[in-house]
Amino acid sequence: TQLLKQSPQFLSIQEGENLTVYCNSSSVFSSLQWYRQEPGEGPVLLVTVVTGGEVKKLKRLTFQFGDARKDSSLHITAAQPGDTGLYLCAGAPGSARQLTFGSGTQLTVLP
Amino acid sequence: EPEVTQTPSHQVTQMGQEVILRCVPISNHLYFYWYRQILGQKVEFLVSFYNNEISEKSEIFDDQFSVERPDGSNFTLKIRSTKLEDSAMYFCASRILRQDPLGGYTFGSGTRLTVV
Repeated sequence: TQLLKQSPQFLSIQEGENLTVYCNSSSVFSSLQWYRQEPGEGPVLLVTVVTGGEVKKLKRLTFQFGDARKDSSLHITAAQPGDTGLYLCAGAPGSARQLTFGSGTQLTVLP
Repeated sequence: EPEVTQTPSHQVTQMGQEVILRCVPISNHLYFYWYRQILGQKVEFLVSFYNNEISEKSEIFDDQFSVERPDGSNFTLKIRSTKLEDSAMYFCASRILRQDPLGGYTFGSGTRLTVV
């Protein structure tokens, strides 16, 4: 059973296009985090969303936390080749204190 | 920007051998973690460590695994008798607060362990 399900698993788009990736669960999370991971590197934290319905913007990246705190989305505007990477969502469901990661969305932005 | 440093970056070992993976967390962080990522699979929690003892551990973290903070800076993961299925990227992470909520994780760049 996947606690955090990410979709799509793979996404290949042209430079300049917009995209959205999703992170869904049947469990409630006190917060969710988004990471980006490049080959041979560790995950790098992009953002933490805490409040249901919260929207956070990081330049061309917009993160949203669902009202029920069970899902989140990441929207990238005008994608660039430098956005290529594995995007991971992670959170601690219920009273758990360690991160559970989703399986990731591998994004490729073609020049 | 402060970093979590892991050594070695790549370790090849024979099945049955002991390995020690080393991590230097960020100096003012209090909570330390080991995660692993088998090739093509998701990042999995192994163990968390606070105040010189294990806080939580997963089912993966069996008796073959141990962690230690031998001095004020290093945080090590030891695998006593490696198995082929231990081959993975092992990530160390640290954070300053345990629940703030769950912000502030910094991951190292990982040690790729290959068991042959």
